[in-house]
Amino acid sequence: DSGVTQTPKHLITATGQRVTLRCSPRSGDLSVYWYQQSLDQGLQFLIHYYNGEERAKGNILERFSAQQFPDLHSELNLSSLELGDSALYFCASSVSNMGERTGELFFGEGSRLTVL
Amino acid sequence: LAKTTQPISMDSYEGQEVNITCSHNNIATNDYITWYQQFPSQGPRFIIQGYKTKVTNEVASLFIPADRKSSTLSLPRVSLSDTAVYYCLVGENTGGGNKLTFGTGTQLKVEL
Repeated sequence: DSGVTQTPKHLITATGQRVTLRCSPRSGDLSVYWYQQSLDQGLQFLIHYYNGEERAKGNILERFSAQQFPDLHSELNLSSLELGDSALYFCASSVSNMGERTGELFFGEGSRLTVL
Repeated sequence: LAKTTQPISMDSYEGQEVNITCSHNNIATNDYITWYQQFPSQGPRFIIQGYKTKVTNEVASLFIPADRKSSTLSLPRVSLSDTAVYYCLVGENTGGGNKLTFGTGTQLKVEL
């Protein structure tokens, strides 16, 4: 158990819909990272939040947005869903970072999104 | 952009030592090199992290040459349970944030 909690574990929805994925980082971790992993693909970095502020963006679609709340949990919002958005979405947390050594990332078990 | 290159796949047998090399030619001065292991439908799990020379923990060793343009993860005496995808990760500092981009990973298959 990494200490990172993601909900829901599984989600099935239809094209055009909107979903919210939730992540609770490990106690004390200020950084939250979101990743997308499609079938047969590697981990695609989406976005990094540190203590409530967006710090780095990857190839995150405009239909996707995220935020980190004062209690440090984070949500990833996916809207106007398309078939290609079907994937495993992972959240990871770490203690740092403010641009310094990231240290170990602790990953949750992921949220599997299926868009029909 | 700190990009990593790894072999797509490797095969080994139980009890052998496995070395997986990752190339990261554009690594920045402040970047650390981290390796993760991932089983199907699970989140990646941290294996080891280093900056230069050699780092060893209870499960692996990490060798980093002086120029830091590559690194080698060494798994001693692998077992069937080590069959997984191994990712090399080099952090990219974007001025206050970390764009931690994983490479394509190396699928290690361990057989009897």
